[in-house]
Amino acid sequence: AQSVAQPEDQVNVAEGNPLTVKCTYSVSGNPYLFWYVQYPNRGLQFLLKYITGDNLVKGSYGFEAEFNKSQTSFHLKKPSALVSDSALYFCAVRDAEDTGRRALTFGSGTRLQVQP
Amino acid sequence: DGGITQSPKYLFRKEGQNVTLSCEQNLNHDAMYWYRQDPGQGLRLIYYSQIVNDFQKGDIAEGYSVSREKKESFPLTVTSAQKNPTAFYLCASSIRRAGGPSTDTQYFGPGTRLTVL
Repeated sequence: AQSVAQPEDQVNVAEGNPLTVKCTYSVSGNPYLFWYVQYPNRGLQFLLKYITGDNLVKGSYGFEAEFNKSQTSFHLKKPSALVSDSALYFCAVRDAEDTGRRALTFGSGTRLQVQP
Repeated sequence: DGGITQSPKYLFRKEGQNVTLSCEQNLNHDAMYWYRQDPGQGLRLIYYSQIVNDFQKGDIAEGYSVSREKKESFPLTVTSAQKNPTAFYLCASSIRRAGGPSTDTQYFGPGTRLTVL
């Protein structure tokens, strides 16, 4: 079985400061990892993914994430937060060996609040 | 939200009613998914379909039904057997490439908020 943990329900950061949203995962095989962002009453928007290769993945809107296999983590980062980054962030995982269902398992989400 | 549309945006259901949520995509994606979102619980998989005329139960399929008669469409029916249907419902789709691994990035529609009166 696969699972995702987002240990923080909410992260508060001042505008201009760096931000980190944490994610750890568990899969039996190799992971495919994803970050999505959700604004109020909207669907999820894809930010970035890790499939293989470079552990540092760059995505949309200046976000990046670092894959750490030994710590089974995939933390989302941004060097300088904007007020407009305030939203709900979801980490998701899929086992690369799963060629059938191919569905994602999501974490419970982390609300990012950026103060001006 | 790309080329995936969901309707209606808001839906109200009376006790004992069946309601159908629409999901249409023009991305030429093979795979489609339905998720349910409840506060503090993330997204949970209801049903998925990897190809036309085939679909499979997800983790919380009880009280729901789907059909996949066309590649572009994957409607979800919430039946009266679903005891707690009030939630935000999200449809997603992804490419399923034949003959090799696929990164399967899922793209989501804008969602339907269902409320039981």
